[in-house]
Amino acid sequence: EAQVTQNPRYLITVTGKKLTVTCSQNMNHEYMSWYRQDPGLGLRQIYYSMNVEVTDKGDVPEGYKVSRKEKRNFPLILESPSPNQTSLYFCASSFASGIRYEQYFGPGTRLTVT
Amino acid sequence: AQSVTQPDIHITVSEGASLELRCNYSYGATPYLFWYVQSPGQGLQLLLKYFSGDTLVQGIKGFEAEFKRSQSSFNLRKPSVHWSDAAEYFCAVAAGNKLTFGGGTRVLVKP
Repeated sequence: EAQVTQNPRYLITVTGKKLTVTCSQNMNHEYMSWYRQDPGLGLRQIYYSMNVEVTDKGDVPEGYKVSRKEKRNFPLILESPSPNQTSLYFCASSFASGIRYEQYFGPGTRLTVT
Repeated sequence: AQSVTQPDIHITVSEGASLELRCNYSYGATPYLFWYVQSPGQGLQLLLKYFSGDTLVQGIKGFEAEFKRSQSSFNLRKPSVHWSDAAEYFCAVAAGNKLTFGGGTRVLVKP
């Protein structure tokens, strides 16, 4: 089954404790992206990747890191989480290196930073 | 930079009634426009998209949207709403390699 998976689905952590949210897709997609969803703000793009070893900032990259060492994986790293990073996070992928294509979304990761 | 505005935060509609969700975008060139739906506790699913050509676009689940360049709008419509259409709907515009979403409209369906 074609899908985007994220782990963990739920995470509660404390300020300053490094964490990684994994994202994996099995569709051989080139483009991958991370979003955070906050009430009233919709989804805001954090980082995106056009292909392996090619990443770039979205609209809200502060406090986040990403890497793309393999085509299928695009982990999101919070090196020193803060309470304002409490949010619902979505990973997405699409077929080609172009935002024109439909993005396939993962189920989301709800992160709480206390 | 591009932006998207969805003026209605919440809409309540009776089952069987028509639905229209508004979307206004700001972008200097020809936009790529999308509507996504998010059911409770789920990820986002693409309803329809507009790239060029016919300004009336048909999507899944009986939805359609009309692109109006003069009004910078891309409103979503459905003639007859079903209870399963209760969800949050997001309009989005693509430019360069970035996708920008509106704040979303939550639709509640009354029996």
